[in-house]
Amino acid sequence: KAGVTQTPRYLIKTRGQQVTLSCSPISGHRSVSWYQQTPGQGLQFLFEYFSETQRNKGNFPGRFSGRQFSNSRSEMNVSTLELGDSALYLCASQLGGQRGEQYFGPGTRLTVT
Amino acid sequence: AQKVTQAQTEISVVEKEDVTLDCVYETRDTTYYLFWYKQPPSGELVFLIRRNSFDEQNEISGRYSWNFQKSTSSFNFTITASQVVDSAVYFCALSGTSYGKLTFGQGTILTVHP
Repeated sequence: KAGVTQTPRYLIKTRGQQVTLSCSPISGHRSVSWYQQTPGQGLQFLFEYFSETQRNKGNFPGRFSGRQFSNSRSEMNVSTLELGDSALYLCASQLGGQRGEQYFGPGTRLTVT
Repeated sequence: AQKVTQAQTEISVVEKEDVTLDCVYETRDTTYYLFWYKQPPSGELVFLIRRNSFDEQNEISGRYSWNFQKSTSSFNFTITASQVVDSAVYFCALSGTSYGKLTFGQGTILTVHP
């Protein structure tokens, strides 16, 4: 079975721009969670989608948004980028979204200049 | 609120030494799951183990073993006879009643020297 894939792997953007990151979960997995990883704050939960519905959201400003498609693929969007948004963005998938193990993708490294 | 604390920021050992990574958690949920993940330099988090709050049996998988003690809210991870390939950042995580959310500790950087 193919693992979780994320595109692009690396991205450089300028402050004020917006960015869209993509995540394809493991086949059959319907839950997708997104995390931001920074040296200062560690791994922080952004949001979770299941069957195209956002079921949970972390403490991030409204500039961070996401969506999920009928094939369970998910995208996250960050508008009006700030320097502090530079981070590794990780996507994880799991079967049903309860308390099962999550399987992570390789991440997208976003650099905001 | 949930919290996971990994007391050791960095650990350095020589190959073949045993090493234990500590994890202490806080939660008000009566049912919860605990996890360990490994993050090698490539960046991808690799799932190692899941434990639910009702199962306090220790688990061994090859050179890896986990000790879950509910009385002390700890879920420690031991690598026996460490190898250079074990060098990575290890994260302990907690999942409660909140959908799809893992609360991670700050991670422990393990360096195994040849």
